[in-house]
Amino acid sequence: ILNVEQSPQSLHVQEGDSTNFTCSFPSSNFYALHWYRWETAKSPEALFVMTLNGDEKKKGRISATLNTKEGYSYLYIKGSQPEDSATYLCAPTTYYGGATNKLIFGTGTLLAVQP
Amino acid sequence: DTEVTQTPKHLVMGMTNKKSLKCEQHMGHRAMYWYKQKAKKPPELMFVYSYEKLSINESVPSRFSPECPNSSLLNLHLHALQPEDSALYLCASSQDKGAGNTIYFGEGSWLTVV
Repeated sequence: ILNVEQSPQSLHVQEGDSTNFTCSFPSSNFYALHWYRWETAKSPEALFVMTLNGDEKKKGRISATLNTKEGYSYLYIKGSQPEDSATYLCAPTTYYGGATNKLIFGTGTLLAVQP
Repeated sequence: DTEVTQTPKHLVMGMTNKKSLKCEQHMGHRAMYWYKQKAKKPPELMFVYSYEKLSINESVPSRFSPECPNSSLLNLHLHALQPEDSALYLCASSQDKGAGNTIYFGEGSWLTVV
């Protein structure tokens, strides 16, 4: 069973602050790392899928990096806005029965951005 | 359009009832999933369907019975549930079951077992 840890558990920032969170996962049998943004009463929104060590992806003010050798990923938000308030979840997948897309979610980081 | 639609949004059922949760996607995806989320916990995988066939069952009790009648629909039949089965049930889909494909989620069905 994968142990996926996210830190911090929660984060309160002011509008305009930049912030980052960490996702740690076992590096053995790693295949891909998914990041999701989940607002209350909405569906989890896929942000990134990353597979390569050293990979860096960007979507607007949000970016993510991946280190598969040491088993971690960082998610960065530049200039946080109140609409960024959500829970951010990471989920690695492993080589499992033919590399099936079996997400194992971390416990998430709850971000609250104050205007 | 990346939309997975789940119905009903809320369901209250007794322990002797039989009910079903429904999920639909029209993105041409051939893999569909059921996840369960208990309060303050991350979502946990229950089932994976690939090309309408059950690919993964994460040792889910038989009181939960999935069904994939066609490539666009996924049902979860519920019978003789327990109060501890109360949770948010999320349906999802992806192009296929290969790791690395983006998985798209619905908003979920809130289930309360009384």
